[in-house]
Amino acid sequence: AQSVTQPDIHITVSEGASLELRCNYSYGATPYLFWYVQSPGQGLQLLLKYFSGDTLVQGIKGFEAEFKRSQSSFNLRKPSVHWSDAAEYFCAVGVSGLWNKLVFGAGTILRVKS
Amino acid sequence: GAGVSQTPSNKVTEKGKYVELRCDPISGHTALYWYRQSLGQGPEFLIYFQGTGAADDSGLPNDRFFAVRPEGSVSTLKIQRTERGDSAVYLCASSLQGHNEQFFGPGTRLTVL
Repeated sequence: AQSVTQPDIHITVSEGASLELRCNYSYGATPYLFWYVQSPGQGLQLLLKYFSGDTLVQGIKGFEAEFKRSQSSFNLRKPSVHWSDAAEYFCAVGVSGLWNKLVFGAGTILRVKS
Repeated sequence: GAGVSQTPSNKVTEKGKYVELRCDPISGHTALYWYRQSLGQGPEFLIYFQGTGAADDSGLPNDRFFAVRPEGSVSTLKIQRTERGDSAVYLCASSLQGHNEQFFGPGTRLTVL
């Protein structure tokens, strides 16, 4: 069965510092991969997605992610974090190569120090 | 335009009671999804509708959980004989079709005492 692991429950970075959130997935074929952000009281918002092609994908809010098949990873990065990026981030994989059944990781809570 | 809305935002009930949670998808979205998010966990898939029919209900934990979407728009998640373990945030999402970005609502926080 597909699964997603986010090894870091909490991460704290200073404002202006770079950020990398880790995500590892378990899936036999080429996965559909997603990163979502959830702010308190807000719904989940899609940051970016990977289906195929270029393994470095750009998303909204200055985020990017790189798909590495050899490592079964899809890490999220941002070169300079803003205080407004403080939120919880979820990595997800589309089951059986589909959109309509997402398996989520447990999430990483990002705290930004000023 | 309006996003996905869910009502109520909070629901407190007693063990054994019946609850209904409502989801209003984005207008024109044919696909609708329910997820459950327990404390400290990511969302867990429950059920997916394409139009009026449940295309995949494999995530419903047991027969106490049931969902309907009679007119292909609004959906109701129904939980019978609630248990304390049902306490969670129930998320609804919709998409244009079944193979498109899912837009999530703010969720309904269910607390079973």
